[in-house]
Amino acid sequence: LQLQESGPGLVRPSETLSLICSVSGDSITDTTYYWGWVRQAPGRGLEWIGNVHYTGMTSYSPSLKNRVTISADTSKDQISLSLTSVTAADTAVYYCARQASALIRPSFALSPWGRGTLVIVSS
Amino acid sequence: QSALTQPPSASGSPGQSVTISCTGTRSDIGGYNYVSWYQQRPGRAPKLIIFEGTHRPSGVPDRFSGSKSGNTASLTVSGLQAEDEAEYYCCSYAGNNLVVFGGGTKLTVL
Repeated sequence: LQLQESGPGLVRPSETLSLICSVSGDSITDTTYYWGWVRQAPGRGLEWIGNVHYTGMTSYSPSLKNRVTISADTSKDQISLSLTSVTAADTAVYYCARQASALIRPSFALSPWGRGTLVIVSS
Repeated sequence: QSALTQPPSASGSPGQSVTISCTGTRSDIGGYNYVSWYQQRPGRAPKLIIFEGTHRPSGVPDRFSGSKSGNTASLTVSGLQAEDEAEYYCCSYAGNNLVVFGGGTKLTVL
């Protein structure tokens, strides 16, 4: 199973950040897994953004839920992330990862991860 | 939903043992047995090394072990090796399909 993030490396302030996570080696329609996004600002720790189940069910971090949308495209085995009204504080490496549900081990853990993609918010 | 609390740094000499703590609340660590730990080397993606508090994925050396008491989880690295130098993050399920990370601990092998 491999995950690969892609998208613009530079986004203007107040605009929308959009990323894609392409999954290969397995289908995202496995009911026992969610597909999540995590970000890491330069020199900072990991921040969980949210996840999506292939059925469309989503969960978001309370601190970001007003600006974030995560969706799944089962025809392409892709997960997308949209973050609106970005500021410099949204500059980070964005990772996608598979997150197991309670139905399978490793329950609620994230593995594997993509390599991440750096997004810089700047004018 | 606040971040879990980890010490910013830890260190030990080769062969020694080091324990990293991760403190949360009854709403996360204390309420569930779903603590995971990740190792992140510079410039690399995080790697899962402990799940459900005490279990190691296949391929992770048994030098890594996890435990939990109340609202605090711990990661112990025994027989420290130079390759263990990395950043370590704890993560806990927090209900409603949410997870929360700790701030990270930089482990230095002296």
